[in-house]
Amino acid sequence: DVKVTQSSRYLVKRTGEKVFLECVQDMDHENMFWYRQDPGLGLRLIYFSYDVKMKEKGDIPEGYSVSREKKERFSLILESASTNQTSMYLCASSLPPNGDWFDTQYFGPGTRLTVL
Amino acid sequence: KQEVTQIPAALSVPEGENLVLNCSFTDSAIYNLQWFRQDPGKGLTSLLLIQSSQREQTSGRLNASLDKSSGRSTLYIAASQPGDSATYLCAVRRISGGGADGLTFGKGTHLIIQP
Repeated sequence: DVKVTQSSRYLVKRTGEKVFLECVQDMDHENMFWYRQDPGLGLRLIYFSYDVKMKEKGDIPEGYSVSREKKERFSLILESASTNQTSMYLCASSLPPNGDWFDTQYFGPGTRLTVL
Repeated sequence: KQEVTQIPAALSVPEGENLVLNCSFTDSAIYNLQWFRQDPGKGLTSLLLIQSSQREQTSGRLNASLDKSSGRSTLYIAASQPGDSATYLCAVRRISGGGADGLTFGKGTHLIIQP
């Protein structure tokens, strides 16, 4: 079974803090993704990565950055957290090295971040 | 810009009924379409994925169909059970030259199966 883990289930931070959300997958997937989920807005793509050290902006990248130094780990960084970044953050991965061209995305359990 | 709509937003039915959840998308240039379920406070579980060249996929009591030309997909749940209660999300992956891309999600259908 594919396993995607996220470092924290719940996180509370203060406005202006630098926040790191960590995601690790154990299936040697090529692609990794960060989404946020908000009531009434659904899930929206923040950033994704298709290889180590490679990244692409998604639909709402403003206020975020990412880091992928190792294939299994993808970090989302809030340089200076703001209250409008309070949300559920979901990480996903896809595409094993043998080329599952169905490209199914597998999700982690989510991190609920509250910025006070 | 791709938009995904799910109807109905909420549905409550008695146990044992067959039901259909609907998903529509505005841009037919998709790579695939994926159905997920989400339990309260949890992550997403992939249910079915349909490639753009396919018409349907089946897994147990679930059947998903895709009509790319009309921009529609349906998720059929047979003989519903209380354990099927969850939010069901439809998502499409667009075709992109770089190979990888994220998903565009609908806002989901909140399903309650009454015992």
